[in-house]
Amino acid sequence: GENVEQHPSTLSVQEGDSAVIKCTYSDSASNYFPWYKQELGKRPQLIIDIRSNVGEKKDQRIAVTLNKTAKHFSLHITETQPEDSAVYFCAASGPGGYQKVTFGTGTKLQVIP
Amino acid sequence: DAGITQSPRHKVTETGTPVTLRCHQTENHRYMYWYRQDPGHGLRLIHYSYGVKDTDKGEVSDGYSVSRSKTEDFLLTLESATSSQTSVYFCAITNRDKGNTIYFGEGSWLTVV
Repeated sequence: GENVEQHPSTLSVQEGDSAVIKCTYSDSASNYFPWYKQELGKRPQLIIDIRSNVGEKKDQRIAVTLNKTAKHFSLHITETQPEDSAVYFCAASGPGGYQKVTFGTGTKLQVIP
Repeated sequence: DAGITQSPRHKVTETGTPVTLRCHQTENHRYMYWYRQDPGHGLRLIHYSYGVKDTDKGEVSDGYSVSRSKTEDFLLTLESATSSQTSVYFCAITNRDKGNTIYFGEGSWLTVV
């Protein structure tokens, strides 16, 4: 089955700096890569996603890049703010009758004011 | 919030007792999922459903059973709770109108003592 590895497990940045979280996946058939943000005590919420026919996608201060050949994808947050502090999960999903989604183990991002 | 309601939100139970968590959705989504979240493990799929009375196992299904007698309700049962089942449980749905994106409920915090 699919295996998703996520690094780093913790990340501290100064407010205004950029943060990068990286994930690798094992199944070349995976074609959908969502990212979730989870604040303490809350549900994971989708912040951005990318499909395998696209190399990069941006939404304001966040962007995701995908390298299908190397089977890795990354989340980039620019101009970080304290409210960006949370746990971020990457995930990979392949074709199938249901969304067989495999999640990474999470990155705890701390933005220091 | 994709119209997902979980109950109970918090529960403390004793080892060996049965526990049922309920997930209720109001938007007629076909696919429903139960995940558990534990530190260092991310989100792991317990069981999923692809229609009324149609369910299948995920990666960590031992000790859990599910039922879906109506489209809107997906029940997760711990037949005899163990301390290793202390976790946060998230119900989720696939929204096919939004590119098959997975959306999570608010979570159920279960403590087995």
